[in-house]
Amino acid sequence: KNQVEQSPQSLIILEGKNCTLQCNYTVSPFSNLRWYKQDTGRGPVSLTIMTFSENTKSNGRYTATLDADTKQSSLHITASQLSDSASYICVVSAYSGGGADGLTFGKGTHLIIQP
Amino acid sequence: NAGVTQTPKFRVLKTGQSMTLLCAQDMNHEYMYWYRQDPGMGLRLIHYSVGEGTTAKGEVPDGYNVSRLKKQNFLLGLESAAPSQTSVYFCASSYLGVTYNEQFFGPGTRLTVL
Repeated sequence: KNQVEQSPQSLIILEGKNCTLQCNYTVSPFSNLRWYKQDTGRGPVSLTIMTFSENTKSNGRYTATLDADTKQSSLHITASQLSDSASYICVVSAYSGGGADGLTFGKGTHLIIQP
Repeated sequence: NAGVTQTPKFRVLKTGQSMTLLCAQDMNHEYMYWYRQDPGMGLRLIHYSVGEGTTAKGEVPDGYNVSRLKKQNFLLGLESAAPSQTSVYFCASSYLGVTYNEQFFGPGTRLTVL
């Protein structure tokens, strides 16, 4: 069964500090890995999408890495801001015949930035 | 562009009542999806549609029905609500299949069944 595990479940850091969120997956056959940001009371918003051949991808202060050999990904947030307080969800896409039901969602890491 | 919109934002039902959640997208996307999000769990796919007039079951379809009469709208129905259906419901859309295309999510509907 395809699975996505995220750690830590929750994290509290001070504003201005950096942090790294982890994602381990067992999804086959692997297509791509996505990181989403979900603000409280809102829908998820895409941060990055990485395919098998991509090791690193950045979106402003967010940098995602992918190690397809060990099936691990990380999301690094640099110089955190209060607006970074949110849940961060790792989503792994498997090749599927219909192309509509191949996503496995992690449970998310709840990040709180304190002033 | 409004993107993906959902109505209503909040709803409280009594066990056995019925309701319909409406999702609309203005991005001309072919694929649309309904997910539910429960505490401590990842998003789970309820039903999806790969085009106007088509629907298919996802991971947790029991107790729900859907219709896609127009390309831009995707309706989720609960015929006889149960407390186990208390959840936050998200609609999403993508240009084509999720294997290669980004999904765009709506703001969610928080449903409580008493």
